[in-house]
Amino acid sequence: NAGVMQNPRHLVRRRGQEARLRCSPMKGHSHVYWYRQLPEEGLKFMVYLQKENIIDESGMPKERFSAEFPKEGPSILRIQQVVRGDSAAYFCASSKGVHQNTEAFFGQGTRLTVV
Amino acid sequence: KQEVTQIPAALSVPEGENLVLNCSFTDSAIYNLQWFRQDPGKGLTSLLLIQSSQREQTSGRLNASLDKSSGRSTLYIAASQPGDSATYLCAVREGGSEKLVFGKGTKLTVNP
Repeated sequence: NAGVMQNPRHLVRRRGQEARLRCSPMKGHSHVYWYRQLPEEGLKFMVYLQKENIIDESGMPKERFSAEFPKEGPSILRIQQVVRGDSAAYFCASSKGVHQNTEAFFGQGTRLTVV
Repeated sequence: KQEVTQIPAALSVPEGENLVLNCSFTDSAIYNLQWFRQDPGKGLTSLLLIQSSQREQTSGRLNASLDKSSGRSTLYIAASQPGDSATYLCAVREGGSEKLVFGKGTKLTVNP
């Protein structure tokens, strides 16, 4: 049973370009979460999605960031017009569902560098 | 607003020592608490999950405790090994929420 798969592992973008980060949850998991880890900072929640629905996007920056989890295919975190401050590690996690003792499993992360 | 603090920020010990990592949180209304391990440039590996109704969980040389009323958790590592060197993260899942709130971690170095 493969774990949470994220790709690419490393992504370099020039300022102003778009970054697309992909996440395939564990088999049987329908809940996906995105977190961002800035240098020397802890992981910060960004968004929580179920298939075709955004449930909680309270941690998403208001502009340039969007996320989706289509019926088919991986979840996508999209950053438009990237800036240097977007350089960070972006982690995806998945879980089976909404239960108070549900465990979240994390992927290896995508390390975005904006040059 | 939930805040998670981990002390110390860094810890260096000789191989074989037993050690304790500390985690505190400000709001006791949590569903569970997870301890993770993060190796440099890698993802997070879940070590232990303690449910809000539990006091402790054990896995091999690891033992995690939870005192929800005082907002504290500890991760005890017995007979440390160089392979235990990593950053250890504590995260709480807030009650009524799906999000995890993380501490900044404790960077552990076990010297041979």
